[in-house]
Amino acid sequence: KAGVTQTPRYLIKTRGQQVTLSCSPISGHRSVSWYQQTPGQGLQFLFEYFSETQRNKGNFPGRFSGRQFSNSRSEMNVSTLELGDSALYLCASSLVAGDFGAEAFFGQGTRLTVV
Amino acid sequence: GENVEQHPSTLSVQEGDSAVIKCTYSDSASNYFPWYKQELGKRPQLIIDIRSNVGEKKDQRIAVTLNKTAKHFSLHITETQPEDSAVYFCAAPPRAGGTSYGKLTFGQGTILTVHP
Repeated sequence: KAGVTQTPRYLIKTRGQQVTLSCSPISGHRSVSWYQQTPGQGLQFLFEYFSETQRNKGNFPGRFSGRQFSNSRSEMNVSTLELGDSALYLCASSLVAGDFGAEAFFGQGTRLTVV
Repeated sequence: GENVEQHPSTLSVQEGDSAVIKCTYSDSASNYFPWYKQELGKRPQLIIDIRSNVGEKKDQRIAVTLNKTAKHFSLHITETQPEDSAVYFCAAPPRAGGTSYGKLTFGQGTILTVHP
């Protein structure tokens, strides 16, 4: 069974640009969550999608957005990039993200560097 | 929202010793507590988890204990080996107001170094 796949693995962007990251969950997983990982802030929740609907959102500015397609693949977009957006962006998929918790499987991440 | 505090931030042990990492959480409705291991340059991977209906769970050299009254849970690694060196994260889903869905609030991480 293929794991969670994120593309691209590395990105270098200039301030003010926008970027789109992609995540393909494990087959059969319908919940996809996104996290930002930085040395100073650790792992911070961005948002979660289930059946193409955003069900939960973290405390990030509106420049961070996402969506999920009917095949459960998800994308996140960051517009007007700032230097502080440099981070490892991880997505995680779960079989069921309901009432009693479910194991989250992480992708390898996309390392975004904003210069 | 949920707040998860993790201690210590760094832990250095000799091979064969035990290591204990502790996390406290604020949302008394949280009901699922996973632990993730992240090796340098790699993705976080689940090593053990516990649900609120049990107090302890073991898997070979790794165990997790949960104290719901005190709102803390701990990771115990016995007979540590150099390959246990990594960053360990605890997490909990915020439940206030209903189902947390896929959201996990993570602790700040513990850098564990096992010296041969």
